[in-house]
Amino acid sequence: QVTLRESGPALVKPTQTLTLTCTFSGFSLTTNKMCVSWIRQPPGKALEWLARIDWDDDKYYSTSLRARLTISKDTSKNQVVLRMSDMDPADTATYYCARVVLVNELGYFDYWGLGTPVTVSS
Amino acid sequence: SYELTQPPSVSVSPGQTARITCSADALAKQYVYWYQQKPGQAPVVLIYKDVERPSGIPERFSGSSSETTGTLTISGVQAEDEADYYCQSADISGTYVFGTGTKVTVL
Repeated sequence: QVTLRESGPALVKPTQTLTLTCTFSGFSLTTNKMCVSWIRQPPGKALEWLARIDWDDDKYYSTSLRARLTISKDTSKNQVVLRMSDMDPADTATYYCARVVLVNELGYFDYWGLGTPVTVSS
Repeated sequence: SYELTQPPSVSVSPGQTARITCSADALAKQYVYWYQQKPGQAPVVLIYKDVERPSGIPERFSGSSSETTGTLTISGVQAEDEADYYCQSADISGTYVFGTGTKVTVL
């Protein structure tokens, strides 16, 4: 059974760095073609893809947020960590991690965590 | 920037058919995927690779795609289908893009 769970602070101040952890089970990021992504959703708005990390440690980032994002993995703990620097109130959102099914090197998201809400406010 | 445009809302009576479009200048020769999201819940994939349906997804959900438009069709809409629906594809730089979202209201 595949599960993912996001954890991290519910509140961060502007200019701080957000660190979120995705803890998963039911698959391994050491397995060929396995990938995990982060996706966010501001209140009442659409989904926005942020980043992806692959089994071979390749990393991909949203073009618009690339400069602020860092994704990493700890395969011994079955965890993926996302760091977003210089947080702004516009970054207030629910942050999801999701497993990626690769199709033509991209694909889609078949299992999602429940999401963790993050508010950016002083 | 690359955008996938969906109608903001679709209203449909129970038992009728709802169609949700996902339009782009070009779909960059990538597949279209569809997700359903109910309030307070994570998205669930309904359609992958334009037309495929994961196991457990009811047959009333179907997908189709052309060069510029992907379409999700819900045949015989049920009250439980009231939700937000998002398409997803990729842009020419090879990054994931979600549509603007469509709220389906069952009258």
